[in-house]
Amino acid sequence: GQNIDQPTEMTATEGAIVQINCTYQTSGFNGLFWYQQHAGEAPTFLSYNVLDGLEEKGRFSSFLSRSKGYSYLLLKELQMKDSASYLCAVRSQAAGNKLTFGGGTRVLVKP
Amino acid sequence: DGGITQSPKYLFRKEGQNVTLSCEQNLNHDAMYWYRQDPGQGLRLIYYSQIVNDFQKGDIAEGYSVSREKKESFPLTVTSAQKNPTAFYLCASSKQGAYEQYFGPGTRLTVT
Repeated sequence: GQNIDQPTEMTATEGAIVQINCTYQTSGFNGLFWYQQHAGEAPTFLSYNVLDGLEEKGRFSSFLSRSKGYSYLLLKELQMKDSASYLCAVRSQAAGNKLTFGGGTRVLVKP
Repeated sequence: DGGITQSPKYLFRKEGQNVTLSCEQNLNHDAMYWYRQDPGQGLRLIYYSQIVNDFQKGDIAEGYSVSREKKESFPLTVTSAQKNPTAFYLCASSKQGAYEQYFGPGTRLTVT
């Protein structure tokens, strides 16, 4: 089976940086995705990592270490609109390339 | 504009009734998925389909059924056998292969 862990909730101040960690256990790893989901809305794609290292996309960066089964999403220069849940999802060849989602991390940005 | 549509946004049903949630996409994606999300939780896969006329059970398929008669459409039926049907249902689609999934706006189903 697969197991994905991420913190339930984090709070940060506007303008600051927040790092959301995600650890996973899976066989046949074939990529890790981060999605943003505002309350009551659909998830939207943020980033995809399949090789080790850092992927930067504007204020958001995502890091992957396959040997450690670890990823993080870094949100810089936080804005109030970044208050949302952030979902880590792992794709596994052993599971037919389906995505398995973690429980999500709710980030609250305070002024 | 290309995208995924789900209707209705809110749906109310009485216990014991079957209900069908629609999902349509015009992105020309081969693969389509149905997820369920409960409050404060992540997404759990109900069913998925990688090509027309073929679909597979996900992690929580019991009490649900699907069909994939057209590439664009992947309706989900929540049957009376589903013990806790009240949830937020999300449909997604993707190209074949290791690509990201695009999500529809979701249908919030309440069964009383």
